[in-house]
Amino acid sequence: DTGVSQDPRHKITKRGQNVTFRCDPISEHNRLYWYRQTLGQGPEFLTYFQNEAQLEKSRLLSDRFSAERPKGSFSTLEIQRTEQGDSAMYLCASSLQTGNTGELFFGEGSRLTVL
Amino acid sequence: AQKITQTQPGMFVQEKEAVTLDCTYDTSDPSYGLFWYKQPSSGEMIFLIYQGSYDQQNATEGRYSLNFQKARKSANLVISASQLGDSAMYFCAMRAMPGYSTLTFGKGTMLLVSP
Repeated sequence: DTGVSQDPRHKITKRGQNVTFRCDPISEHNRLYWYRQTLGQGPEFLTYFQNEAQLEKSRLLSDRFSAERPKGSFSTLEIQRTEQGDSAMYLCASSLQTGNTGELFFGEGSRLTVL
Repeated sequence: AQKITQTQPGMFVQEKEAVTLDCTYDTSDPSYGLFWYKQPSSGEMIFLIYQGSYDQQNATEGRYSLNFQKARKSANLVISASQLGDSAMYFCAMRAMPGYSTLTFGKGTMLLVSP
């Protein structure tokens, strides 16, 4: 499978615990994005990387959130001291920097439930 | 800032009929791209169609076409000959072009196709 893959697909945790999600983009894509989607809403941008550099962060990304892309390949999104409001689907996407449309290719998401 | 508005929370259509999903947008960027994505219950966002703001012709991709009216700032998706497998959430999105910025999504429209 050469698409975007995310792990784990589902995570249930207790409030206050830390969680980490992993995203493996399409191999030749140098841009990687994280989005959050809550029920009944469209995806909301969190952050994106070009290679290993984190170029933009949304104000939605509080201090409890951190994302890395250490070697410009896979990325991790960590949420510390989870809160019930963090319950959402976390979507990863990748794209080429240049390209006709710059369309994003999404993974199937990681669903987080905070009890 | 960019804004996408999808005013139809849900749409119903019978199999083999055509359906139009509405999308209006607002942006101050002179050049931008408009996208439609489909999200089935599995969660993955699937790219459907793209329209550039300077494209003279409306985009078409198989059964999907985009009715782009720049003066009205609308980019409606038309699905011809609906199929049961078209039942999903549909999201309109935009980004400034060239593709240096992220996608901004609307809240989506749930489409249900009945036999």
